[in-house]
Amino acid sequence: DAGVTQSPTHLIKTRGQQVTLRCSPISGHKSVSWYQQVLGQGPQFIFQYYEKEERGRGNFPDRFSARQFPNYSSELNVNALLLGDSALYLCASSAGVLYEQYFGPGTRLTVT
Amino acid sequence: AQTVTQSQPEMSVQEAETVTLSCTYDTSESNYYLFWYKQPPSRQMILVIRQEAYKQQNATENRFSVNFQKAAKSFSLKISDSQLGDTAMYFCAFMNNNAGNMLTFGGGTRLMVKP
Repeated sequence: DAGVTQSPTHLIKTRGQQVTLRCSPISGHKSVSWYQQVLGQGPQFIFQYYEKEERGRGNFPDRFSARQFPNYSSELNVNALLLGDSALYLCASSAGVLYEQYFGPGTRLTVT
Repeated sequence: AQTVTQSQPEMSVQEAETVTLSCTYDTSESNYYLFWYKQPPSRQMILVIRQEAYKQQNATENRFSVNFQKAAKSFSLKISDSQLGDTAMYFCAFMNNNAGNMLTFGGGTRLMVKP
């Protein structure tokens, strides 16, 4: 079975621009979570979606938004990019809200 | 809010030897899970082992085992017979059962296995 997939692999954007990152969960998984991992640090929780509803939100500004589609794939949007948004963005899927999470390879975002 | 602390930024071990990575956490919750994740240079986060807080028995997965001390809020990872492929960042993570499956991660320990 395919694992969690994310696209694109790498992305370079300019300050002020907007970016959309995509994630496809493991088949049968209904929950998707997003994490931001700044270089040299542990991942920080951004959002969790389950059955297309937001179930959790981390301490991130409103510039960050996400959604989950009927096929359980998800998009993370970041508006008005700042240099500090440069990070590895990880998507994780799980069978349910209390199940363990499986991570994708991440999208490396560089903001210049 | 929960916090997870990994006090060893870097560690090294000789191939075939044993190494222990430390993790402490702070929470007022009684129902939770703890995890160790491995992140190799390829950056894919891989689940190594998990521990349910209500279980007294320490979890084991082949060469990986944990020492879970609930009262001390300590959760260390022991890697036996270290292999070159164990070289990676290791993250300790906490999941509060009452808050979905949001993970709170520690800052990580970089482990180098030397031949």
